[in-house]
Amino acid sequence: QVQLVQSGAEVKKPGSSVKVSCKASGGTFSTYNLSWVRQAPGQGLEWMGKIIPILGIPNYAQKFQGRVKITADKSTGTVYMELSSLTSEDTAIYFCARGGSLDPWGQGTLVTVSS
Amino acid sequence: DIQMTQSPSTLSASVGDRVTITCRASQSVSPSLAWYQQKPGKAPKLLIYKASSLESGVPSRFSGSGSGTEFTLTISSLQPDDFATYYCQQYNSDTYTFGQGTKLEIK
Repeated sequence: QVQLVQSGAEVKKPGSSVKVSCKASGGTFSTYNLSWVRQAPGQGLEWMGKIIPILGIPNYAQKFQGRVKITADKSTGTVYMELSSLTSEDTAIYFCARGGSLDPWGQGTLVTVSS
Repeated sequence: DIQMTQSPSTLSASVGDRVTITCRASQSVSPSLAWYQQKPGKAPKLLIYKASSLESGVPSRFSGSGSGTEFTLTISSLQPDDFATYYCQQYNSDTYTFGQGTKLEIK
């Protein structure tokens, strides 16, 4: 049973960038795509983008175009999400999740943006 | 991006009640519509995929229906464990979107 394991919590300064990783444990991403979803405190789920790891082709939500970059390292089975020009509004839990109907999900990575 | 509108935003109900949550898409997303349950501090849990297919291990009191731009999630008899927030999500296009969520509260 594939599990998605994410990197640990981050604290960043406004204007900086953050890079979060997601690795498949007990399996591979196979031909599935891998999405990134975020949830700000007390708010709903927000889809950011996805990638098909074996192809390396990303798609991004309009809101994040130009500020997010999703990449895949096929050799290690790891997918990365990098978000730049951070503001306090980017403080959120960032999740990775596999597939179209998203399952499984990673455990989430808290990113705090604070001066 | 396709817009997803859920209603109601909040729903108060009692154990044993039958409840329905609606999700409307700005264009057809059939059959690529999923429903999730989320509890505080946890990752969302997939309940329904392809609009009406029940995910393995999910109780049969959950059901999904609909097509085109209008979809519903029904819980036939609410159990104490069902009080949570529910989200719909479309995955029909290259970019995905979630509804804004429905918080199901105990009356």
